[in-house]
Amino acid sequence: GAVVSQHPSRVICKSGTSVKIECRSLDFQATTMFWYRQFPKQSLMLMATSNEGSKATYEQGVEKDKFLINHASLTLSTLTVTSAHPEDSSFYICSARAEEGRLGYGELFFGEGSRLTVL
Amino acid sequence: GNSVTQMEGPVTLSEEAFLTINCTYTATGYPSLFWYVQYPGEGLQLLLKATKADDKGSNKGFEATYRKETTSFHLEKGSVQVSDSAVYFCALSEQDNFNKFYFGSGTKLNVKP
Repeated sequence: GAVVSQHPSRVICKSGTSVKIECRSLDFQATTMFWYRQFPKQSLMLMATSNEGSKATYEQGVEKDKFLINHASLTLSTLTVTSAHPEDSSFYICSARAEEGRLGYGELFFGEGSRLTVL
Repeated sequence: GNSVTQMEGPVTLSEEAFLTINCTYTATGYPSLFWYVQYPGEGLQLLLKATKADDKGSNKGFEATYRKETTSFHLEKGSVQVSDSAVYFCALSEQDNFNKFYFGSGTKLNVKP
């Protein structure tokens, strides 16, 4: 079946540095990917919709300059947390919708998530 | 606005016990409803879904019925196994924007032998 993979699964960084998280669709092309964030004991919250070849669409309250999203190819979207601070520590998870013409068309497949800890 | 509320965990059961994880939602229109499961170290996987009122989603012995009158989508399984230990997320997608998902906070299930 379709697999969406994230890397790294865990990252620890110092305050003020930038961290990049990759999201790849391994056996299907995804024109649209989604980035979520989860705080401890809270819901997954949609941060932004990543569109291949165009700018991402951010949800209300999400800082565009803080969370840079690039969807440079049909199989890769990246989320860069710029100038990270301890309050950015969270679990980030991406998803991609299977394209027409394959099994699971329309289903949303999720990556395994990336846990960011900012010291 | 749209939201999903599910029971807090962790839920600890013995093997072969009956499982219920409650989920209620608030939404405009007619959303689609989902249960996702996350095993340790893996991504969320679709467990089952229902797209309209009174639909029953089922998979791997799990069931959930879309109840519009009570705005609920409770997850049930008659006899849990140790391998069912995971985090379960209830979610909805908007009627007019199926790309936009709203998730509950997740319920961790621990099944003991």
